[in-house]
Amino acid sequence: GAVVSQHPSWVICKSGTSVKIECRSLDFQATTMFWYRQFPKQSLMLMATSNEGSKATYEQGVEKDKFLINHASLTLSTLTVTSAHPEDSSFYICSAREGSSDGPTLHFGNGTRLTVT
Amino acid sequence: DAKTTQPPSMDCAEGRAANLPCNHSTISGNEYVYWYRQIHSQGPQYIIHGLKNNETNEMASLIITEDRKSSTLILPHATLRDTAVYYCIVRVSSSNTGKLIFGQGTTLQVKP
Repeated sequence: GAVVSQHPSWVICKSGTSVKIECRSLDFQATTMFWYRQFPKQSLMLMATSNEGSKATYEQGVEKDKFLINHASLTLSTLTVTSAHPEDSSFYICSAREGSSDGPTLHFGNGTRLTVT
Repeated sequence: DAKTTQPPSMDCAEGRAANLPCNHSTISGNEYVYWYRQIHSQGPQYIIHGLKNNETNEMASLIITEDRKSSTLILPHATLRDTAVYYCIVRVSSSNTGKLIFGQGTTLQVKP
């Protein structure tokens, strides 16, 4: 089946630094990828939609200058958390859409746990 | 976009069928019902989806009522590894690029 790989699986960084998270579709091309964030004991919250070759679409309340998204190829999207702060500590999950726009299946990566100290 | 309502938690005995309900009374005609599950500290896993007919695959069965206002996910023989949070999601229309909006889900605890 379709596989989405996320890297790194966990990262610890110091406050004020930037962290890049990669999301790759391994055996299919994904024109659209999605980035989610999940705090402990909460559901997934959609942050943004990443479109290959164009700017990402951010959900309301998500700072686009803080969470930089680049979708440079059909198999890779990156999320950069800039100037990270402890409140950015969370579980970040990407997903990629396989197939046509009608009734597609989204495949999810295994997430990246970010801890900002 | 249609919202879903699920019980926050359920228990099931190992080996028995787990029936997880979902209400989506405001679903529109072209919206699919999707089920995903999330095992602790992992990404969500696709289970099954349907539009109006009942569906079955190697993981589960999906029963959708005739009026499409509710559905039930059935795990026929639950195992301990099925312990997870199960999300019932109504997919937003294609004009919104097919993104999935997650609710709170049902935490299924399978007990020995």
